[in-house]
Amino acid sequence: QKEVEQDPGPLSVPEGAIVSLNCTYSNSAFQYFMWYRQYSRKGPELLMYTYSSGNKEDGRFTAQVDKSSKYISLFIRDSQPSDSATYLCAMSGYNNAGNMLTFGGGTRLMVKP
Amino acid sequence: EAGVTQSPTHLIKTRGQQATLRCSPISGHTSVYWYQQALGLGLQFLLWYDEGEERNRGNFPPRFSGRQFPNYSSELNVNALELEDSALYLCASSFEGSGSPLHFGNGTRLTVT
Repeated sequence: QKEVEQDPGPLSVPEGAIVSLNCTYSNSAFQYFMWYRQYSRKGPELLMYTYSSGNKEDGRFTAQVDKSSKYISLFIRDSQPSDSATYLCAMSGYNNAGNMLTFGGGTRLMVKP
Repeated sequence: EAGVTQSPTHLIKTRGQQATLRCSPISGHTSVYWYQQALGLGLQFLLWYDEGEERNRGNFPPRFSGRQFPNYSSELNVNALELEDSALYLCASSFEGSGSPLHFGNGTRLTVT
């Protein structure tokens, strides 16, 4: 079993839809949770960053962390064709591991006009 | 502010040769991380450097090595290249200290023929 599980998709939605992306994890040591967006032939771009449990909102994006269930989510409101990309969840917080991230496999999102 | 820069963008090598990949971190960041993104395998942690020292390495053979220079830039060397080393190699940087998010470059696409 992988430390971080993420549905690979692809997830296809119409423009304007609300998108829900999710990850589950097994290691309770994780404390910092991130979402990255990766366009084709580009590096991952940091979208959202949260510490411990709770919600964080930034424009059309909302990140949720439920440490008791070991479950994190990213919601995208009013999705746009430009949101079409692969979304990667990532986590850190091991002792003596610096900010080394453990990634999910990524979910490919397609937003159709 | 300039982001993480990597060179070269693309690199084509023959099996058995050596490859050298370079990374310049964001100004002020002292930690550099290397990840391999092979098709279908997601992002796999390779190496972590901080203040010129190797702090941790992932589950990769010793022919993957690197170093960090006094200006915090970094080099990844891959010796005795194998076909399965073909991948996108991503460099990320962060501030020292737990909880600092990683910022990625656009990677070097290594192709081994």
